[in-house]
Amino acid sequence: DAKTTQPPSMDCAEGRAANLPCNHSTISGNEYVYWYRQIHSQGPQYIIHGLKNNETNEMASLIITEDRKSSTLILPHATLRDTAVYYCIVREETSGSRLTFGEGTQLTVNP
Amino acid sequence: GAGVSQSPSNKVTEKGKDVELRCDPISGHTALYWYRQRLGQGLEFLIYFQGNSAPDKSGLPSDRFSAERTGESVSTLTIQRTQQEDSAVYLCASSRTSGTRIRAQYFGPGTRLTVL
Repeated sequence: DAKTTQPPSMDCAEGRAANLPCNHSTISGNEYVYWYRQIHSQGPQYIIHGLKNNETNEMASLIITEDRKSSTLILPHATLRDTAVYYCIVREETSGSRLTFGEGTQLTVNP
Repeated sequence: GAGVSQSPSNKVTEKGKDVELRCDPISGHTALYWYRQRLGQGLEFLIYFQGNSAPDKSGLPSDRFSAERTGESVSTLTIQRTQQEDSAVYLCASSRTSGTRIRAQYFGPGTRLTVL
């Protein structure tokens, strides 16, 4: 799996958009960008994933640059419950591929 | 239920005892994973089941650890002769498959194991 780089921490005001960046300059053509988060004392939670096109679901939007070397997860209206560690993972969708989380970004949403 | 469920949510045991942890995956999910997460650390892969294929046991830390899965449903993770270093949160995840493609993994709430 390609290596990813994320800032260790970010702060965001409640109600504002949270934009979490991820660099993955060594991504290969068949690797997807996945985002998960882990709220304190809970299991990891899948958020969104994409290959090359921007994606949106009920939780977030994923913007992938044209060269696919970086991406941004956008939480459009952050709430206090979005405070968590966010993990950007680049991986192939092949059978048996396990998840490996890096350091992630600790997002703190402030009132 | 709609999500992955695990039981028990908490387990406190004495060193040397055996424990059994249970995971109920999302219905229709053919792939099932077990992970371990020690306090303040990342995910540690343990074992992976995919349909009727032989499980990938490459992450099991010792022969005290074993897991079974009945068809495409319930899985149990058994730890024999528990040691204090086994204390961790044990997480189960499941995902759909499409041919050889594995979709996103959905995690259960975990079982917090404390070995005294």
